[in-house]
Amino acid sequence: GAVVSQHPSWVICKSGTSVKIECRSLDFQATTMFWYRQFPKQSLMLMATSNEGSKATYEQGVEKDKFLINHASLTLSTLTVTSAHPEDSSFYICSARATPEGGYTFGSGTRLTVV
Amino acid sequence: GENVEQHPSTLSVQEGDSAVIKCTYSDSASNYFPWYKQELGKRPQLIIDIRSNVGEKKDQRIAVTLNKTAKHFSLHITETQPEDSAVYFCAAATGGGNKLTFGTGTQLKVEL
Repeated sequence: GAVVSQHPSWVICKSGTSVKIECRSLDFQATTMFWYRQFPKQSLMLMATSNEGSKATYEQGVEKDKFLINHASLTLSTLTVTSAHPEDSSFYICSARATPEGGYTFGSGTRLTVV
Repeated sequence: GENVEQHPSTLSVQEGDSAVIKCTYSDSASNYFPWYKQELGKRPQLIIDIRSNVGEKKDQRIAVTLNKTAKHFSLHITETQPEDSAVYFCAAATGGGNKLTFGTGTQLKVEL
């Protein structure tokens, strides 16, 4: 089945630094990758939609200069949290569809803690 | 955009009883409705899904019903077991690879 590999699974960083999260589709080409953020005991909230070779589309209220998304190839999308602050601490997870009408495959998630 | 509402937020049942979680959606163009089970710190796990051309789907103890006219869909778990305890999310999406919108989640607790 379709597999999305996400790294790192957890990261602790100092306030003011940047963190990069990678998602790779291992056995299919992900033209589109979705990035979600999940705070404790809350739902998954879509942050942005990443399209290979073009700029990402950000959801309302998500700072595009803070959450940099790059989708340089059909198998790799990255999310960089720039100048991270404690309020950015969250569970970040990516998702993609192997086919336009198929199910969604999720990465394993990244637990970010900013201290 | 799509808005998905989910109820109840918490549900406690006795082992062996049935559990029902309900969701409503706003976008009549939505045609794919998955249900996910998520354990703490893990990725959502698809447990069942339904497409808009079907009214009901069943997989062993789990079933989903869809009412397109009313724009609501429900998850039914029968003969609940302690290992069913988790957070469940409904979601909705349109076709063409579009984004998935999640409901607010239901914490299900199955008590012995």
